[in-house]
Amino acid sequence: AQSVAQPEDQVNVAEGNPLTVKCTYSVSGNPYLFWYVQYPNRGLQFLLKYITGDNLVKGSYGFEAEFNKSQTSFHLKKPSALVSDSALYFCAVRDLRALNFGKGTSLLVTP
Amino acid sequence: DTGVSQDPRHKITKRGQNVTFRCDPISEHNRLYWYRQTLGQGPEFLTYFQNEAQLEKSRLLSDRFSAERPKGSFSTLEIQRTEQGDSAMYLCASSLVSGFGNTIYFGEGSWLTVV
Repeated sequence: AQSVAQPEDQVNVAEGNPLTVKCTYSVSGNPYLFWYVQYPNRGLQFLLKYITGDNLVKGSYGFEAEFNKSQTSFHLKKPSALVSDSALYFCAVRDLRALNFGKGTSLLVTP
Repeated sequence: DTGVSQDPRHKITKRGQNVTFRCDPISEHNRLYWYRQTLGQGPEFLTYFQNEAQLEKSRLLSDRFSAERPKGSFSTLEIQRTEQGDSAMYLCASSLVSGFGNTIYFGEGSWLTVV
């Protein structure tokens, strides 16, 4: 079964510092990986995806993610965090039916 | 592109009552998905449609849950005889059918509180 794991429940970072939110995957075949963000009491917003090609994927709001096949990871990154980036972040992997999500990581950016 | 629309956004109901949620997908999308999300958890897949055909329903949580997409456009998710454990956010999403790489777009969700 296709699955992802997010090892950190919460990540704290100071505004202006780089941030990383971790995700590892377990798939049979080629991985199709996604990141979504969720603000309080809202739905999920698509950030970026890895399908094939360049291992560094750029997405919305200045986020990027690095696909690493040898480490089976797809970490979300941003060079300089903003307070407004504080939210829940979900990693997901596509299977035949739909997306399978991780438990989520709460990102808190402090001023 | 008006996005995925869900209604109602919030619903409070008494235990034992039936509730129905509606989802209008992005207009050209032929796949529609339902997920449930409880506090502190990631979204949990329930069911999905391709046009009007329901392709997977084994993940629906019990026989109290049912979903329809009668004309391949909007969809409804019904929960009969609600229980307190049904309290959650119900998310609808849509996508184009072709390829694993197509992005799945989510609505704002429908919050259900069973009292």
